[in-house]
Amino acid sequence: DTAVSQTPKYLVTQMGNDKSIKCEQNLGHDTMYWYKQDSKKFLKIMFSYNNKELIINETVPNRFSPKSPDKAHLNLHINSLELGDSAVYFCASSIVLNTEAFFGQGTRLTVV
Amino acid sequence: AQKVTQAQTEISVVEKEDVTLDCVYETRDTTYYLFWYKQPPSGELVFLIRRNSFDEQNEISGRYSWNFQKSTSSFNFTITASQVVDSAVYFCALSEGNYGNNRLAFGKGNQVVVIP
Repeated sequence: DTAVSQTPKYLVTQMGNDKSIKCEQNLGHDTMYWYKQDSKKFLKIMFSYNNKELIINETVPNRFSPKSPDKAHLNLHINSLELGDSAVYFCASSIVLNTEAFFGQGTRLTVV
Repeated sequence: AQKVTQAQTEISVVEKEDVTLDCVYETRDTTYYLFWYKQPPSGELVFLIRRNSFDEQNEISGRYSWNFQKSTSSFNFTITASQVVDSAVYFCALSEGNYGNNRLAFGKGNQVVVIP
C-alpha cells in the first residue's frame, strides 16, 4: 500500500498549457505539502495545508493553485505553464506540523 | 529566517570507509526540529531521523549515527562502513515554529558516491 501517492509520475507538456498533479495520502495525516525540486536538487516548499486549510503559501506565481478537497488529498493545478516550471514536484504529508514528512515518489514535469 | 548549510556538495568514498556529512543550521527559535532525508538515484525521498531541539542525545541506527550539538548548531550524520547502496543525496532540514511558520527548510544536499 502506497502511503503518499501522486500522479502522474511523468508529465511532458507544451508551454501555455494547464496541467494538474494529484496527490493522495492514506496515512491519516492532518498536514500535506507541495515541494519543488529544481535541476540542482534544491528542495523548496510551495504550499502547506493543515486539515484542508492553507497555512503556508510561499512566494510562488499565482499560476500555481493548490486544492484540498479533503484531508487526504492535495492537488496542484498549474496554469499557463512556462519553461521554468520544469522540475520535480513532490507531495508530502505529516501527522501534524513539525513532525517528519513522508513524500510521494515525485512528478517530473517537463515543459517544452 | 531559516538557514541550513551543507557545505560538502559531493563526497566520494571507497566502500567500507566511513563518511560524515556536516549540517549547520541557523535559527532564532528555542524550539525547533531537525531532520535528515535520503534521496537515492531512484528519486524518492526517504525519512531517516528527526531530532527535537531539547533532545541532544545522539542516535545510532545500524550503520547510521547522528551527532546533534546545539552549542555549534550542528546536526552531523555519519555512515559507518559505507556500502554502494548508500550512494544517494542526503538532505538535512530544519523546521521551526515561531520564526519559520513550521516550514521544512532543506539544505542543498550532500551527494554521496560510494565506489565499490
